[in-house]
Amino acid sequence: LAKTTQPISMDSYEGQEVNITCSHNNIATNDYITWYQQFPSQGPRFIIQGYKTKVTNEVASLFIPADRKSSTLSLPRVSLSDTAVYYCLVGDSYSGAGSYQLTFGKGTKLSVIP
Amino acid sequence: GAVVSQHPSRVICKSGTSVKIECRSLDFQATTMFWYRQFPKQSLMLMATSNEGSKATYEQGVEKDKFLINHASLTLSTLTVTSAHPEDSSFYICSARVQFNQPQHFGDGTRLSIL
Repeated sequence: LAKTTQPISMDSYEGQEVNITCSHNNIATNDYITWYQQFPSQGPRFIIQGYKTKVTNEVASLFIPADRKSSTLSLPRVSLSDTAVYYCLVGDSYSGAGSYQLTFGKGTKLSVIP
Repeated sequence: GAVVSQHPSRVICKSGTSVKIECRSLDFQATTMFWYRQFPKQSLMLMATSNEGSKATYEQGVEKDKFLINHASLTLSTLTVTSAHPEDSSFYICSARVQFNQPQHFGDGTRLSIL
């Protein structure tokens, strides 16, 4: 069961690039790495997903080293509206016993400062 | 695309009432839907996984007779909190996905308050 570890909180000034790293030492071969953003009293919003190397979309990049034991979410030029909690989710490998190995970590609370 | 609608967004009711929460995938067919619970300032806790047409799989410690889940179609799952008590007050969130290892897409959650 892959558990994730992230920094509890981070502060950044507007316009800066923010990198949030997630450790997942026990990641399984079939596991993908997915990052979500959550604002208070809302459901999480999908940001990006990857399996290895680098993935980029219109809002973020995801860097995954060859051993896949960690991943880094990169947010370019953050704004005040990026203040939120960011979760990395590793898993979805069907355990075979009737449940999915889906465990959200504690998340990283990003505060963007003007 | 990938919109999940959850209804109602907020419920306040008396202890002993049963409450039904609906989760719909609006623009895709979801083979799997998930139900989470989130307490204030905490992370999401998976309650159960439901696949269309089959019984839900509950996580350890989640009472299946209290939290009834029905996934009758590829676009609709419901969670019924039976005989709700104040300790059931929480933020309930559903998600849906097309297939294994595809991202989950989340609803906006239901704030349940039991008086």
